[in-house]
Amino acid sequence: KAGVTQTPRYLIKTRGQQVTLSCSPISGHRSVSWYQQTPGQGLQFLFEYFSETQRNKGNFPGRFSGRQFSNSRSEMNVSTLELGDSALYLCASSWGTPGNTIYFGEGSWLTVV
Amino acid sequence: GESVGLHLPTLSVQEGDNSIINCAYSNSASDYFIWYKQESGKGPQFIIDIRSNMDKRQGQRVTVLLNKTVKHLSLQIAATQPGDSAVYFCAETLGQTSYDKVIFGPGTSLSVIP
Repeated sequence: KAGVTQTPRYLIKTRGQQVTLSCSPISGHRSVSWYQQTPGQGLQFLFEYFSETQRNKGNFPGRFSGRQFSNSRSEMNVSTLELGDSALYLCASSWGTPGNTIYFGEGSWLTVV
Repeated sequence: GESVGLHLPTLSVQEGDNSIINCAYSNSASDYFIWYKQESGKGPQFIIDIRSNMDKRQGQRVTVLLNKTVKHLSLQIAATQPGDSAVYFCAETLGQTSYDKVIFGPGTSLSVIP
């Protein structure tokens, strides 16, 4: 059974640009959540989608957005990139009911220069 | 953001010894707790979980203990091996209302000395 797949794995962007990251959840999982990981702030929750609807949202500015498709695949977008957006962006999936274990992908490493 | 803390505690243990990694969680309403292991360059990997109606749960070489009175969680690794070297995160979920919103602790870096 394939795990959570994230693309691209590595990317470099310039300040002011925008970026789209993609996530394919484990087959059958309907919940996809996104996290940002940095050395200074640790793992921070961005948002969570279930059946194409955003159910939860963390404390990030509106430049961070996401969506989920009918096949449960998800994308997140960051517009007007800042240097501080450089981070590992992790996607995780689960069945989507309370107490379900979430499983992480390997992440997308974003460097903003 | 909602992550707690900026400093990464470290723990060094001799190969073959037992390791104990501790974690204080923040919300007394949390009812589901998970331990993750993250190796360098990889995403967090599920190790073991425990629900709030339990005090202890055992897996293969790992045991999680939950003390709700003091909001404390620990992960015990028996016969620690070099492959156990990684950063370990505890996580709590506000399961009643927030489904998969998971709050992570700052992590503990475990180094195993051969």
